[in-house]
Amino acid sequence: EDQVTQSPEALRLQEGESSSLNCSYTVSGLRGLFWYRQDPGKGPEFLFTLYSAGEEKEKERLKATLTKKESFLHITAPKPEDSATYLCAVLMYFGNEKLTFGTGTRLTIIP
Amino acid sequence: NAGVTQTPKFQVLKTGQSMTLQCAQDMNHEYMSWYRQDPGMGLRLIHYSVGAGITDQGEVPNGYNVSRSTTEDFPLRLLSAAPSQTSVYFCASSYSYRADEKLFFGSGTQLSVL
Repeated sequence: EDQVTQSPEALRLQEGESSSLNCSYTVSGLRGLFWYRQDPGKGPEFLFTLYSAGEEKEKERLKATLTKKESFLHITAPKPEDSATYLCAVLMYFGNEKLTFGTGTRLTIIP
Repeated sequence: NAGVTQTPKFQVLKTGQSMTLQCAQDMNHEYMSWYRQDPGMGLRLIHYSVGAGITDQGEVPNGYNVSRSTTEDFPLRLLSAAPSQTSVYFCASSYSYRADEKLFFGSGTQLSVL
């Protein structure tokens, strides 16, 4: 069964304290891995798509990387406005061509 | 730009009642979908549409009905609400029906069924 696991479930960091969020997946034939950000009371907002192992994407203080079994979302020198839940989702080549979402990591940046 | 608009924001129903969650997008997107988000679970696809007049079932379609008469609108109908349908519902759209297109989400409807 295809699975997406995100860790940690929650993470509290001091402002400026860099860290990484993990998204591991067990799918046969990854077509794409997606990262979304979700603020409380809002819908998810697209951040990145990664397609192949070794690929990296950056946006402001965020950098997403992809290996054959997991993806990392690195947050460098975070600010309080980076506080949100970060969701990853995978799309596989074979099957129903629908996204499988993880449960998210709730990130809190303390001023 | 309005993007994806969902109404209502909050709703309380009694078991057995029916209602329609509204979703509209102004981006001329081909693909529209409905997800539900429950604590401890990832977003799960309920129904989706790849264009006007075309709909299909997702992962958890039971108890829900959809139609797509226009490109802009994609309402979700609860036929006879049950407590298990208490959830947060999100409508999402994308430019094309390609599965690797990024999704644009609405702000959600929080539904409680008593």
